[in-house]
Amino acid sequence: GNSVTQMEGPVTLSEEAFLTINCTYTATGYPSLFWYVQYPGEGLQLLLKATKADDKGSNKGFEATYRKETTSFHLEKGSVQVSDSAVYFCALSGTSYGKLTFGQGTILTVHP
Amino acid sequence: DTGVSQDPRHKITKRGQNVTFRCDPISEHNRLYWYRQTLGQGPEFLTYFQNEAQLEKSRLLSDRFSAERPKGSFSTLEIQRTEQGDSAMYLCASSEPRTPASYGYTFGSGTRLTVV
Repeated sequence: GNSVTQMEGPVTLSEEAFLTINCTYTATGYPSLFWYVQYPGEGLQLLLKATKADDKGSNKGFEATYRKETTSFHLEKGSVQVSDSAVYFCALSGTSYGKLTFGQGTILTVHP
Repeated sequence: DTGVSQDPRHKITKRGQNVTFRCDPISEHNRLYWYRQTLGQGPEFLTYFQNEAQLEKSRLLSDRFSAERPKGSFSTLEIQRTEQGDSAMYLCASSEPRTPASYGYTFGSGTRLTVV
């Protein structure tokens, strides 16, 4: 079956540091890949997506590239802010109706 | 468009009691999903509706769980004879028919269930 593995957390960074959160997946066919973010006390928000190999999703300074050869979709940001502190989830959709399989989440804390 | 609404936000219940949660999707969204998220884990798929038809149910959805979407608008998720292991955040999401499902969808803020 489909699965998503995220890097172990939590991740603690200083403001303006470079961020990478690793995500690898196992799936049959050609899934769509997503990063969702969950701020404290809020629901999941779609951060970015990529629907085919070599696509780059980007939003709010975050980027991730769909790498089929390495089955990866790593999240990056060049300069994090305190307001980026949240839980980040990598997910894939391998069905026509959009059923999502999530990773376990990575807690990011950014200090001033 | 007020987003996906879930009610209640929090529910505390005694073991063995029945609980029901409600989800109001974004209007005209014909796809509706339920997920369960336990502490420290990612959400897990429970079930999917297209309009009023329930098209897939996860094996996580035991006989004690039932979901409905009677008129293709709001949905309810009922848990009978709750157990402590049912304590989790229950998330609802919806997406519109014109957008491919592969493009992702909108989640509500969830209902946090605590079984004591």
